[in-house]
Amino acid sequence: AQSVTQLDSQVPVFEEAPVELRCNYSSSVSVYLFWYVQYPNQGLQLLLKYLSGSTLVKGINGFEAEFNKSQTSFHLRKPSVHISDTAEYFCAVFSQGGSEKLVFGKGTKLTVNP
Amino acid sequence: GAGVSQSPRYKVAKRGQDVALRCDPISGHVSLFWYQQALGQGPEFLTYFQNEAQLDKSGLPSDRFFAERPEGSVSTLKIQRTQQEDSAVYLCASSPAGTAGETQYFGPGTRLLVL
Repeated sequence: AQSVTQLDSQVPVFEEAPVELRCNYSSSVSVYLFWYVQYPNQGLQLLLKYLSGSTLVKGINGFEAEFNKSQTSFHLRKPSVHISDTAEYFCAVFSQGGSEKLVFGKGTKLTVNP
Repeated sequence: GAGVSQSPRYKVAKRGQDVALRCDPISGHVSLFWYQQALGQGPEFLTYFQNEAQLDKSGLPSDRFFAERPEGSVSTLKIQRTQQEDSAVYLCASSPAGTAGETQYFGPGTRLLVL
C-alpha cells in the first residue's frame, strides 16, 4: 500500500525567502505524485503533478517539485515566497490497482511573515 | 465553467441525528470521490464512483456511512446516527474520466460538527 510522509507540520518563513516543503512516499509500484494547496475555508487546488518524464515539474504560482526515485521523495520548492502563499500544502500519491483514490500526507502549514 | 460544489457548507448536528451531504461534480465528469478531513489531518479516502457505480467503498468507517450517485452526476453522502467522531470536513472531488494519474478537482467541503 502507498503512503506519504510530510516531514514538517509547520514551516514559517519570511517574505521573499526560498522555501522547501518535504514529502517522502512509499510505494511498491510506479507512482504518480501530486501537490495540492488548501487556502482557509477552501477546497484543495492542484499545484503540480508528476506522472512520467522530466523529474523537475513546474506548477502554478511559481512552485516546482523534483521527483527523486532513489530517495523516494517529491519535495516542493519556491525560490521566493509571498504573503499570499500562506496556506496548507498536501502531498499525495495516486493509489494504483483498484480505485483511483489519492493517498494524502498530513499536510504542511506554510506561514509567510512580512 | 462551474467547479465542484457542495452543500451545505456547514452543518451542526446533535449526536444521533442523520445528515445528508450533497456534491455536484463538474458537468460530464465520470469519476466522483468522497474524502474525510479531520482537523489538522490530510484528507482520507471514503468512497469512489464511476458514473453511478460505486467501485470502492473501502474507506467508509462504519455501516452508518452510505453514499449514492443514482444518475451518475450528483452524489449524496449520508451519515446515520451521527457520533462526535464524525466531526470533520467532508470533501468531494471529481475527475473527467477516472484514468490513472488524472487530476481530481475538489469542492470547498462541508464542515460537519456533531455536538
